[in-house]
Amino acid sequence: DTAVSQTPKYLVTQMGNDKSIKCEQNLGHDTMYWYKQDSKKFLKIMFSYNNKELIINETVPNRFSPKSPDKAHLNLHINSLELGDSAVYFCASTRRDRVDTEAFFGQGTRLTVV
Amino acid sequence: GNSVTQMEGPVTLSEEAFLTINCTYTATGYPSLFWYVQYPGEGLQLLLKATKADDKGSNKGFEATYRKETTSFHLEKGSVQVSDSAVYFCALISAGNNRKLIWGLGTSLAVNP
Repeated sequence: DTAVSQTPKYLVTQMGNDKSIKCEQNLGHDTMYWYKQDSKKFLKIMFSYNNKELIINETVPNRFSPKSPDKAHLNLHINSLELGDSAVYFCASTRRDRVDTEAFFGQGTRLTVV
Repeated sequence: GNSVTQMEGPVTLSEEAFLTINCTYTATGYPSLFWYVQYPGEGLQLLLKATKADDKGSNKGFEATYRKETTSFHLEKGSVQVSDSAVYFCALISAGNNRKLIWGLGTSLAVNP
């Protein structure tokens, strides 16, 4: 009954590999996000999808590609991983039609590139 | 553009001390304001929110009042506990089409017994 779930929770991989992180929400929300949190806890938005349509695409390397097969899922694929990609990645969801609705977050995926 | 500024940490307090974490914002229109908390090793969770001027959000002994005249949403707690040690984020959702969440940089709080 988890509201926003991400898998895996931990991911250790070598430079140059390709990896994916999956996110699913069962809240009926229409908007989902990917955030990157660095070691100083700064939250940087990467992407946002509304009803499977990309609405926010911040300055992120092309190696990062989000995919939303339906409005309950937003996956993140990363090609050619680099050391600087090591961070915690959070998925979140919300309702776009209501400004008073908060975002719900997943538990995060700690990615370590070695 | 919209922005959120919160006080830099880390903040270190003794148990039962009074806590204030300052947050000010810049936004057009009437945004909703939020405080999120991130406990060690966990995701962010909503602590409290306020959606219009003079609203007071409260939860777990924490309070914050939406002050439009000073564009502030300061977080306060009268008596902190060790279990309050976490990172606290102030955020707003703009009223525009993008509904973009704007985040402060986070303030780390450590409470010592």
